[in-house]
Amino acid sequence: GAVVSQHPSWVICKSGTSVKIECRSLDFQATTMFWYRQFPKQSLMLMATSNEGSKATYEQGVEKDKFLINHASLTLSTLTVTSAHPEDSSFYICSAVPQLNTEAFFGQGTRLTVV
Amino acid sequence: AQSVAQPEDQVNVAEGNPLTVKCTYSVSGNPYLFWYVQYPNRGLQFLLKYITGDNLVKGSYGFEAEFNKSQTSFHLKKPSALVSDSALYFCAVREGRNAGNNRKLIWGLGTSLAVNP
Repeated sequence: GAVVSQHPSWVICKSGTSVKIECRSLDFQATTMFWYRQFPKQSLMLMATSNEGSKATYEQGVEKDKFLINHASLTLSTLTVTSAHPEDSSFYICSAVPQLNTEAFFGQGTRLTVV
Repeated sequence: AQSVAQPEDQVNVAEGNPLTVKCTYSVSGNPYLFWYVQYPNRGLQFLLKYITGDNLVKGSYGFEAEFNKSQTSFHLKKPSALVSDSALYFCAVREGRNAGNNRKLIWGLGTSLAVNP
């Protein structure tokens, strides 16, 4: 299957700082990527749809100024958590669907801990 | 409204026994259905999908699922469970080919599978 790489796997940051998470499609081009947030033992919550060359589409209730998404190329989308607070601590996962596929492929996830 | 239901938070089976993880869905049109597995602190791995054709689909690691249109179900099954199958399983659905570029998935809440030795 296609490979999606997410970096870093885990990060600890201080309150008030910003953290950038990268999502790369390694062997295909992705015009669209998806960013999810997952709380312990819970399902995936779609945060936003990242569109190459245009603005991301955010789900209701997700603050676009807090979770900045940049999809500058066909293989890279980034999620920046700005002015992070402890309540932003979570597991963040990205995914992408290759053009000729129907199934999504996921990154390894990023465990963010804000202290 | 589109939705996916996984009625069981947890399923416990003994190693070697058959397992079933249930999923029902509600979506307009012909659905695309998926099963994913998640191990602790990892992303999701694709197991199998139903797009069209034979209602019984086979996927990775010996898993299979049966699409039942009349019951709007897509239960995941495996004839003989392994301890290593213990993980979190997610069912997902999206609108089929007429959805255009909308590839957004609707997710179930997940079912934790525990296979006991």
